[in-house]
Amino acid sequence: TQLLEQSPQFLSIQEGENLTVYCNSSSVFSSLQWYRQEPGEGPVLLVTVVTGGEVKKLKRLTFQFGDARKDSSLHITAAQPGDTGLYLCAGAGISNYQLIWGAGTKLIIKP
Amino acid sequence: EPEVTQTPSHQVTQMGQEVILRCVPISNHLYFYWYRQILGQKVEFLVSFYNNEISEKSEIFDDQFSVERPDGSNFTLKIRSTKLEDSAMYFCASRGTGGPLGDGYTFGSGTRLTVV
Repeated sequence: TQLLEQSPQFLSIQEGENLTVYCNSSSVFSSLQWYRQEPGEGPVLLVTVVTGGEVKKLKRLTFQFGDARKDSSLHITAAQPGDTGLYLCAGAGISNYQLIWGAGTKLIIKP
Repeated sequence: EPEVTQTPSHQVTQMGQEVILRCVPISNHLYFYWYRQILGQKVEFLVSFYNNEISEKSEIFDDQFSVERPDGSNFTLKIRSTKLEDSAMYFCASRGTGGPLGDGYTFGSGTRLTVV
């Protein structure tokens, strides 16, 4: 059974600070996606990383896929209150179509 | 921007009743999915659908569940006899092309199913 461990589960920091969220597995994924989910809404895709070692930037968000395609990180620079939300990672298996989800990181940025 | 539309947004049903959750995926997408999220828990895969048939399903997707794409635009999830533990947010998603390495998913806003 493939599992994705996401950490931390909860993070509350001051505006302007940097933070990193981690997503780890013992399994290899063909791709890994990061989503943001607001209460009562569906997950919204932020980025897909496919190649081992790949780094993608989305404004102040930097996403990295591990060399072995088993782990990923999301780094936010100079966090802002608008970054508050639930961040989810989800991995796509090598030979199947379903996504395996992490439990999410609830992020609160205090002004 | 194209979006996945789900109806209803909230459904309350009595235990043992049948419910149909409806989804309109993005029109040129080929892969369709149902996921569910029990309150406070992880998102869980239910089923994937491609070329008018189920391509994969999870252990959750037992004989009480079925999916259909009746008219080329709608994608439905039917729960034949609902149980209390079926209460969850149900998300429909669609994806454009390719296999596991393909495009990212677009999710609908979900249907909150409450079984009483």
